[in-house]
Amino acid sequence: GQQLNQSPQSMFIQEGEDVSMNCTSSSIFNTWLWYKQEPGEGPVLLIALYKAGELTSNGRLTAQFGITRKDSFLNISASIPSDVGIYFCAGSWWGDKIIFGKGTRLHILP
Amino acid sequence: DADVTQTPRNRITKTGKRIMLECSQTKGHDRMYWYRQDPGLGLQLIYYSFDVKDINKGEISDGYSVSRQAQAKFSLSLESAIPNQTALYFCATSDGPRTGGADTQYFGPGTRLTVL
Repeated sequence: GQQLNQSPQSMFIQEGEDVSMNCTSSSIFNTWLWYKQEPGEGPVLLIALYKAGELTSNGRLTAQFGITRKDSFLNISASIPSDVGIYFCAGSWWGDKIIFGKGTRLHILP
Repeated sequence: DADVTQTPRNRITKTGKRIMLECSQTKGHDRMYWYRQDPGLGLQLIYYSFDVKDINKGEISDGYSVSRQAQAKFSLSLESAIPNQTALYFCATSDGPRTGGADTQYFGPGTRLTVL
């Protein structure tokens, strides 16, 4: 079945640094989604991508849908303490079930 | 008020007990999902329902059952709880795929279940 590889598994960065994480798929998706989960909460949608090559921003967050349709990345610029959490990528093909990556846990050092 | 609510938020139970986790939504979505989250394993799909008369198994349905009582309600049951079912459980809803794309899921706050 389809698998998503999300990396890195965890990150420790200094406040103010930029962050980059990515997901690769064993097969093609036509939708990529990025979610953030904060402690004690459910995942919340950050960015949705529906077209190969699409680059979308949401504040300090930028995500891109890879040209091959098998990958996506999420960048966070100038990280702040409230960026701490687990970031999940997710993909699907034409309305089929969404497949989630295993998450990237972001830690920010003071 | 939250669009997707889960009850209880925390539950401690003993091995062999029957447990029901409930999910309600006010978003008017047809699709509802139950996920399990273990540390380092991301979200694993247990069951999903695309409408009231539709129930489908996910990746890890063994040991679980569900009931879609109404469009707004989807409950998850553990018939005989075991310790390795200790996890965080999330309910999610969606309104189906937008044209040319996937549907976007909205998650509840989660239920932390501990089986002793």
